[in-house]
Amino acid sequence: GAGVSQSPSNKVTEKGKDVELRCDPISGHTALYWYRQSLGQGLEFLIYFQGNSAPDKSGLPSDRFSAERTGGSVSTLTIQRTQQEDSAVYLCASSLVWGGSSYNEQFFGPGTRLTVL
Amino acid sequence: AQKVTQAQTEISVVEKEDVTLDCVYETRDTTYYLFWYKQPPSGELVFLIRRNSFDEQNEISGRYSWNFQKSTSSFNFTITASQVVDSAVYFCALSGLYNQGGKLIFGQGTELSVKP
Repeated sequence: GAGVSQSPSNKVTEKGKDVELRCDPISGHTALYWYRQSLGQGLEFLIYFQGNSAPDKSGLPSDRFSAERTGGSVSTLTIQRTQQEDSAVYLCASSLVWGGSSYNEQFFGPGTRLTVL
Repeated sequence: AQKVTQAQTEISVVEKEDVTLDCVYETRDTTYYLFWYKQPPSGELVFLIRRNSFDEQNEISGRYSWNFQKSTSSFNFTITASQVVDSAVYFCALSGLYNQGGKLIFGQGTELSVKP
């Protein structure tokens, strides 16, 4: 079946502009995660969704970052007033479910490479 | 706090050499999972292995093997008879089961270069 997809694959924007990054998880996966991979910081967790709610937003670096998920499926990560330090690859992952006594593997998308000029 | 340390930033070997990638973790959770992911030049993270904290048995999968030692909080990854296709960045990761929503805490990654 189809894996996790992300769009756009590349985004170049000017400092101060807003951007939206989209993630389509694997069908039926209720848990969705956003991570950021940048040169200086490695791979960092940003936010996690279970269904449409986000129990853990602890990784969002500032209030310029927000994310939502609708219909328990597609998620959008929005960065307002982008800064050069926001340049990174933004990765989305989904898993079947989280919780209880089991752990379900996270499947990663190809990422969106964001460049802020 | 949870933390994963991969002290080796870059490793370069010649094809057919064995290579071990080190991973040391910190966690207060009694139940947790450890992972290794591979990120080839194409960029997509590829899952290699998941290990439950209660299972300290070493695992072998083809040329890959993993050594989990709770006593030293280490989860090392060995590639036997390395090949050029093994060239990639390898990430070790940790996830607490009950407190963390399943989020992954990654190490900084080890870039492995296998030369012909």
